[in-house]
Amino acid sequence: EVQLVQSGAEMRKPGESLKISCKGSGYRFTTYWIGWVRQMPGKGLEWMGIIYPGDSDTRYSPSVQGQVTISADKSINTAYLQWSSLKASDTAMYYCARLGDHGDMKFDSWGQGTLVTVSS
Amino acid sequence: EIVMAQSPATLSVSPGERATLSCRASQFVGSNLAWYQQKPGQAPRLLIYGASTRATGIPARFNGSGSGTEFTLTISSLQSEDFAVYYCQQYNNWPPLDFGQGTKLEIK
Repeated sequence: EVQLVQSGAEMRKPGESLKISCKGSGYRFTTYWIGWVRQMPGKGLEWMGIIYPGDSDTRYSPSVQGQVTISADKSINTAYLQWSSLKASDTAMYYCARLGDHGDMKFDSWGQGTLVTVSS
Repeated sequence: EIVMAQSPATLSVSPGERATLSCRASQFVGSNLAWYQQKPGQAPRLLIYGASTRATGIPARFNGSGSGTEFTLTISSLQSEDFAVYYCQQYNNWPPLDFGQGTKLEIK
């Protein structure tokens, strides 16, 4: 069974850094893209970026390019999303999700989400 | 960027009736279109991919159709557990992997 397990809820102050994680199991982690999706309070889904853990090829949405860093450690089947300086507007639920294989880029399995709250 | 426009924003339907949700892409996306369901407090769930293929475990009352730029998700005989928000997503020329803004399906 494919599973993506995300790290727990986080609360930070503006300007602080943060790294959240997403651990995959039940499949070959290195051969599927992993994506990060943001959902701001009461809003829809927004694609942020994707990474291919096999070679760390990473693509970002223009809306978040330079604001976050996506990485992966294939030795422990874990993908990450990190911020160096959080803003209040980063408050959101963040989901990781696996994308289909062979370029079939639908999000076929989702993590449970990590709630990030940024407030002074 | 490909803009995915969903309509209506909110759809009110009675249990047992049919619901029809629309998704329009600003550019050609072929059949590279997925639908997701999200219930309150839950992660999204893949319903349909390839515009018309049901994901594993998705009931037959969920049907996707369309190609090119116009797509439809039809839910026949609505059950109580089907009331949720539905999103479409294109994956033709990726990235990007754009979502529509969602359609909230509510009980009439």
